[in-house]
Formats: sequence, structure tokens, C-alpha cells
Amino acid sequence: NAGVTQTPKFQVLKTGQSMTLQCAQDMNHEYMSWYRQDPGMGLRLIHYSVGAGITDQGEVPNGYNVSRSTTEDFPLRLLSAAPSQTSVYFCASMGGIYGYTFGSGTRLTVV
Amino acid sequence: AQTVTQSQPEMSVQEAETVTLSCTYDTSESDYYLFWYKQPPSRQMILVIRQEAYKQQNATENRFSVNFQKAAKSFSLKISDSQLGDAAMYFCAYRSLGAGSYQLTFGKGTKLSVIP
Repeated sequence: NAGVTQTPKFQVLKTGQSMTLQCAQDMNHEYMSWYRQDPGMGLRLIHYSVGAGITDQGEVPNGYNVSRSTTEDFPLRLLSAAPSQTSVYFCASMGGIYGYTFGSGTRLTVV
Repeated sequence: AQTVTQSQPEMSVQEAETVTLSCTYDTSESDYYLFWYKQPPSRQMILVIRQEAYKQQNATENRFSVNFQKAAKSFSLKISDSQLGDAAMYFCAYRSLGAGSYQLTFGKGTKLSVIP
């Protein structure tokens, strides 16, 4: 089925470890983004991309890196995980005027 | 920058009754989109309803309707005939129509409980 695929769904990291959250979409959407969701905070934008080779920072970019080498993929990298990065992460893509599609989320715990 | 405020962290409603969730926003723009998203325990983000700011008519989707007051910058969601499956987090979101603006700005959410 067409949509946004996020992996993994759950992850536990130790402080200082690195990892990459994967996001792929098969809808040929140019715009992709990463959000984090924390209790009582809603969803906050981390990074976004308007096309292959183009990325920009959102509201809470510190501690995260992104790249966009293809239209389909938009991975989010944590270089040195911190407990403050414990959160639920959502990838989303947009096609058309307001056609956002969200992935199913990744619950990350940093201990 | 735009901000979205949901002043009710939690609400409850009796099954079959009507409930209204509040949302206000702050913007200097005249054209934008507003959305309500539902997030059940499965974590999936589900679009409930959307409103284009240039449309005066309030959007309606089955049991869900909005009261869009542009001058007051208010965008409330009314759920009629509440069902157990309506229990979820509800997020109000704003999207600018400015050049290169694609991101959504979310409120902090309202947790809705439905009492049988």
C-alpha cells in the first residue's frame, strides 16, 4: 500500500549511542518532514526537506541530522543520543495542497 | 511565527452526546489552512477535517464539524453523537500558504475520553 513507512517502531538506546530512523514514501512527494511528540507538547518540527538535496531546520533541530539523497527516503540521524531525545518520532510527507501522510511513528527511549 | 493553542488538555463526553474542542491560533497571514487530527492509542495520525481560511463556510465531515471564526482566530471542533471510537488525542494544526511553507504547526493536544 502507498504511504509512509517508518522503521523501527520501537528502539531503546543507551546514552551516547547513535542510530538512524528510517523513513520512506512511495507517493513521489517532494516535501518530507520529521516531528517529535512529547507529552503535553504536541508535535514539533525537527527537520524538513522540499526535495532531494534540500533540507532545512525546524523548531527543534539540535542533536539531529538529516539528508535527502532521493525523493523516497528521508532518514533522521541521532549522532549521540541523550535522554532528552526520548520521544515518539513521526515522519510525514506532503503531496498536493494539504495531503499530509504520516508514518506510524517510532517510540525511542534513551537510557 | 504562528502559534496554535489548545486550552483544554483533557475533556470527557458521554456516549451519544456532543462535545466541542477549542483551538485558537495566532497569525498575521490572511490565507492558510487549518486542520484537526485524531491520534488514537495506535499512535496513527488521522486527518479528521480541514478548513481553508478563504472559505467562510464551516467544514463538515459526517459527525465532525468546525466553527471557524477567522476574525477571532478560533477553530473549534464539534463532535456529534460521540462514539467510543472517538476517544483519542486531538490536535489542531495550522499551515501557512506562504512561499515555501509546507510545515504544520500543532497545538499541544486535547485528550478526549468517551464515557459509556
